[in-house]
Amino acid sequence: GENVEQHPSTLSVQEGDSAVIKCTYSDSASNYFPWYKQELGKGPQLIIDIRSNVGEKKDQRIAVTLNKTAKHFSLHITETQPEDSAVYFCAASFDDMRFGAGTRLTVKP
Amino acid sequence: GAGVSQSPSNKVTEKGKDVELRCDPISGHTALYWYRQSLGQGLEFLIYFQGNSAPDKSGLPSDRFSAERTGGSVSTLTIQRTQQEDSAVYLCASSWGPQGYQETQYFGPGTRLLVL
Repeated sequence: GENVEQHPSTLSVQEGDSAVIKCTYSDSASNYFPWYKQELGKGPQLIIDIRSNVGEKKDQRIAVTLNKTAKHFSLHITETQPEDSAVYFCAASFDDMRFGAGTRLTVKP
Repeated sequence: GAGVSQSPSNKVTEKGKDVELRCDPISGHTALYWYRQSLGQGLEFLIYFQGNSAPDKSGLPSDRFSAERTGGSVSTLTIQRTQQEDSAVYLCASSWGPQGYQETQYFGPGTRLLVL
């Protein structure tokens, strides 16, 4: 089955700085890679996703990059704001979906 | 439109009792998933329903856990003879269905279960 490793487990940045979270996966057949944001007391919400036929995708301050050869993908948040503080989960799927353990991002004002 | 809803939002029970957790998926979504999230941990897959197909139960941790989905809509996750290690947030998600795991999943707010 798929294994997804996510780093770092915690990340603290100053407001306005960039944040990068990295994930690796084991199943080369994986072809869908979503990123979820979970705020305290709420369920995870999709923020961006990428499929294996694309190397990079951007949505305003958020971008995801995928390296299929190395089997890793990353989330990039630029110009971070305090409201970006949350737990972020990566996931990889093909015939199942496996989630990383999560990264707790804190943006200091 | 309405998102995924779950009830109850919180449940406190005594060890050994049975509990039922409910999930109402987004209308029209044929796929439904249950996950367990222990404190400060990631999401542990439990079970996946896709339309009228047999569910993927590969994630259920023991035979004390079961789930059903009636009429292709509402789902109930049942935990029998609860143990303290069952304490967690139970999350439900739904998706349109045709592409199975390769689709965006929409999560509910979760049910926080505490077993005393």
